Amino acid sequence: QITLKESGPTLVKPTETLTLTCTFSGFSLSTSGVGVGWIRQPPGKALEWLALIYWDDDKRYSPSLKSRLTVTKDTSKNQVVLIITNMDPVDTATYYCAHRRSSTWDFWGQGTPVTVSS
Amino acid sequence: QSVLTQPPSVSAAPGQKVTISCSGSSSNIGNKYVSWYQQLPGTAPKLLIYENNKRPSGIPDRFSGSKSGTSATLGITGLQTGDEADYYCGTWDSSLSAGVFGGGTKLTVL
Repeated sequence: QITLKESGPTLVKPTETLTLTCTFSGFSLSTSGVGVGWIRQPPGKALEWLALIYWDDDKRYSPSLKSRLTVTKDTSKNQVVLIITNMDPVDTATYYCAHRRSSTWDFWGQGTPVTVSS
Repeated sequence: QSVLTQPPSVSAAPGQKVTISCSGSSSNIGNKYVSWYQQLPGTAPKLLIYENNKRPSGIPDRFSGSKSGTSATLGITGLQTGDEADYYCGTWDSSLSAGVFGGGTKLTVL
């Protein structure tokens, strides 16, 4: 049974750096073909893909946010970390991590809300 | 502005059928698999359809997917009030080297 859970601060100030952790179970991020990604959803708006890290440490980032994003993995801890620098109120959203296999996001975390406000 | 285009809303009566379209381009839907996700109010998205037309275990066959050229369609038959949700299409864009989603479609079961 695959499960994922996001954790991190619920409130950050403008210009601060956000660090989110996705802790998962039921799979290994060292298995060929497997990835973990991050997707966010501003209140009342659509899903927006942010980043993806594969089992072989290959990484992909949203072109519009690439300069502000860093994704890393710790296979031994079953964790993936997303760092977003220079947070802005427009980054207020629920942030999801998801398991990727067979070209799809097949399992999602419950999401963690993040508000950017001074 | 989402890369994939979906109608903002659709509606139908209980027991009826509805389709939701997702339009893209040759760099995404045209040469990549499409997935569909259901997001019930206040919950995380859930996978409904993957690889254009496959259903994960536990998803009833009332839900179906198809793809033609640069467009994809989600079909739902025998509508139930519990199907009221936002539905998103998603795929990969080879030109952007990025994941992409549609803007979402709100389904209302009247």
